[in-house]
Amino acid sequence: DAGITQSPRHKVTETGTPVTLRCHQTENHRYMYWYRQDPGHGLRLIHYSYGVKDTDKGEVSDGYSVSRSKTEDFLLTLESATSSQTSVYFCAISESAGNTYEQYFGPGTRLTVT
Amino acid sequence: TQLLEQSPQFLSIQEGENLTVYCNSSSVFSSLQWYRQEPGEGPVLLVTVVTGGEVKKLKRLTFQFGDARKDSSLHITAAQPGDTGLYLCAGGDTGKLIFGQGTTLQVKP
Repeated sequence: DAGITQSPRHKVTETGTPVTLRCHQTENHRYMYWYRQDPGHGLRLIHYSYGVKDTDKGEVSDGYSVSRSKTEDFLLTLESATSSQTSVYFCAISESAGNTYEQYFGPGTRLTVT
Repeated sequence: TQLLEQSPQFLSIQEGENLTVYCNSSSVFSSLQWYRQEPGEGPVLLVTVVTGGEVKKLKRLTFQFGDARKDSSLHITAAQPGDTGLYLCAGGDTGKLIFGQGTTLQVKP
């Protein structure tokens, strides 16, 4: 199993509060990703990183920011949480092999915004 | 914009039956991947197909990549309750993957 951990695993927070989710890897993979998973929408990419301090937006990046100061850590921040950000958040890592980017996922963080 | 559409979205079958899940797109992908996700866990990679027409087998699961590299299928022979889960296809030519919306499979004993 790929060494990926996410913290916290569960969080309940109030609308308007800042929230930071952490993803930690022990695989030294170059690429890291944050997804959200909601019923009927599958996995949607929020932000991703292709190296330390190199990040880019995904398809649902509004209201989210990320930082990657070390290869092993990728942080997702909700600056001011809203109820629409209630979701399950997954971190993934990847290392390119030609044109394939097989991804390995963490166990997820269930976030509830009340 | 690249999109992947999976069908069916839901499938409930009896143990021992065969089934096929489809993943279709109007775009060409250099590779497609299939993942399986169990409740409360992250998706787990099952297979990557790279060459048009390629067929890969993983025990009772058979994966095929279309000749034009726009579609893929997953066939399960003699399904078992342990096959229950969410099956996701994904494709991409850069560091980002596009995921289909998933097929929820329930295999009843």
